[in-house]
Amino acid sequence: AQSVTQPDARVTVSEGASLQLRCKYSSSVTPYLFWYVQYPRQGLQLLLKYYSGDPVVQGVNGFEAEFSKSNSSFHLRKASVHWSDSAVYFCAVTPRNYQLIWGSGTKLIIKP
Amino acid sequence: EAAVTQSPRSKVAVTGGKVTLSCHQTNNHDYMYWYRQDTGHGLRLIHYSYVADSTEKGDIPDGYKASRPSQENFSLILELASLSQTAVYFCASSDGRTNTEVFFGKGTRLTVV
Repeated sequence: AQSVTQPDARVTVSEGASLQLRCKYSSSVTPYLFWYVQYPRQGLQLLLKYYSGDPVVQGVNGFEAEFSKSNSSFHLRKASVHWSDSAVYFCAVTPRNYQLIWGSGTKLIIKP
Repeated sequence: EAAVTQSPRSKVAVTGGKVTLSCHQTNNHDYMYWYRQDTGHGLRLIHYSYVADSTEKGDIPDGYKASRPSQENFSLILELASLSQTAVYFCASSDGRTNTEVFFGKGTRLTVV
């Protein structure tokens, strides 16, 4: 069965520091991959997506993610975080059908 | 811009009572979804629909019904609300293609007492 694992429930980073949020998936085929962000009391918004091609994809607000087929991973990165990046980040995959499979989310806390 | 509107944004319900959560989308999307979010969990799919007047069960349909009277509207119904159904509920829509974005509403915080 397909699954998505975000091993870190909470990540704390100092403002201006770099960031990596981890995501690993299990799927019988290479799925489509997504990162969504949820700000407090808001719905989820798409950050970036990967379908094929260049394994590094760029998203909004300076975020990027790198797909690794060999590691079944899709980690999210940002070179320099801002306090406004505080949110919950969700990784999701769709194994080429209608349905998204979600990770449990990583809460990002930015220290001043 | 694509829009999904949920109502109410929060609700307190009594155990055993009936609860209806409403969702309206202006995206002209075929697919609509109801998700549940609990602390420490990702989103879990309750029901979805890909055409008006038809609904499908998701991963956790027990205790929930859904209704899609039109392309724009999708409701989630709790006939007999229970304490375990306290959660945040999200409605979403997409055009159904697997590589496209899902658009979410802002959520409904349901507390069953």
